[in-house]
Amino acid sequence: KQEVTQIPAALSVPEGENLVLNCSFTDSAIYNLQWFRQDPGKGLTSLLLIQSSQREQTSGRLNASLDKSSGRSTLYIAASQPGDSATYLCAVPHSLNTPLVFGKGTRLSVIA
Amino acid sequence: EAQVTQNPRYLITVTGKKLTVTCSQNMNHEYMSWYRQDPGLGLRQIYYSMNVEVTDKGDVPEGYKVSRKEKRNFPLILESPSPNQTSLYFCASSDHQGGQPQHFGDGTRLSIL
Repeated sequence: KQEVTQIPAALSVPEGENLVLNCSFTDSAIYNLQWFRQDPGKGLTSLLLIQSSQREQTSGRLNASLDKSSGRSTLYIAASQPGDSATYLCAVPHSLNTPLVFGKGTRLSVIA
Repeated sequence: EAQVTQNPRYLITVTGKKLTVTCSQNMNHEYMSWYRQDPGLGLRQIYYSMNVEVTDKGDVPEGYKVSRKEKRNFPLILESPSPNQTSLYFCASSDHQGGQPQHFGDGTRLSIL
């Protein structure tokens, strides 16, 4: 059974720092990997989706990498801002039409 | 504006009183799903639907029903709610499950007393 782990569970950094969030999964036979952001009291917003054939995806200050063979993904946030404070979750489906399995998230606080 | 809309956003009710949480999307997405989010357990999928009249169980389907009579709507039904169904519920949709990002609603916080 696929399990997704995110480390650390919480992270606090000063504004302007670059940071890395980690996601690992036990079964490397994934179709893709998706990173989400969740703000308190809100739903999830998709940030980046990496297909299994890709190594990374970039959107603005965000860069997500995927190493299927080692079962790992990282989300790199450059020049962090207080507005980046949120919980970040990663999720994987096994194949095209199977349920997403989520990690428990990393709660990020960026201090001004 | 592309969105997934859930109603109600908050509900407090009592054990055994049937309730329905509605979910509607305006993006003509084929795939829709329901999740519940609980502290320490994270997000878990309840049911999903790959298209109209096609539904399937997720990881935690017990105590829930769904229907998909129209492409845009995917209601979640609790026939006889119990306190262990107190949770934060999210509806999501995408063009299809794996290839496209999923869009989430803002959530429904259910309290079953």
